Amino acid sequence: GENVEQHPSTLSVQEGDSAVIKCTYSDSASNYFPWYKQELGKRPQLIIDIRSNVGEKKDQRIAVTLNKTAKHFSLHITETQPEDSAVYFCAAPEDSSYKLIFGSGTRLLVRP
Amino acid sequence: DTGVSQDPRHKITKRGQNVTFRCDPISEHNRLYWYRQTLGQGPEFLTYFQNEAQLEKSRLLSDRFSAERPKGSFSTLEIQRTEQGDSAMYLCASSLRNEKLFFGSGTQLSVL
Repeated sequence: GENVEQHPSTLSVQEGDSAVIKCTYSDSASNYFPWYKQELGKRPQLIIDIRSNVGEKKDQRIAVTLNKTAKHFSLHITETQPEDSAVYFCAAPEDSSYKLIFGSGTRLLVRP
Repeated sequence: DTGVSQDPRHKITKRGQNVTFRCDPISEHNRLYWYRQTLGQGPEFLTYFQNEAQLEKSRLLSDRFSAERPKGSFSTLEIQRTEQGDSAMYLCASSLRNEKLFFGSGTQLSVL
């Protein structure tokens, strides 16, 4: 089955700096890679996703890059703001199903 | 409300009691998933339905756990003879024929 590893587990940055979170996956057949943001006590919310036919996708201050050869993908947040503070999860589908396997999460703290 | 809703938000029970949670997915979504999340970890897959058919159950799901989706709309997750190790956030998610999952706010279970 799919195995998703995420790092770092915690990340502290100064407001305005960039943050990068990385994930690796094991199933070479995986073709969809989402990122979820979870604020304290709230539901995980999809913030950006990418399919394997592209290498990068941007949405305002966030971007995701994918390296299929190396089987890793990354979340990039530029010009971080205190409201970006949350736990971020990457995920990848297992086998050819639509079931997502999640990483263990990265707690991002943006210091004002 | 057009999102995924879960009830109750919180449940406190004594060890050995049975509990049941409900999930109402986004109305047109045909897939429904149950995940479990413990503190500091990513969501862990439990089971999922396509319409009313339960297509997969995690090996982590003991016989004390059962889920139903009788009419292909709402779903219930029952835990019999609860144990302290069952304490977690139980998340429901739904999707429309792809991997893009939309989560509910979860049911926080505490087993005393």
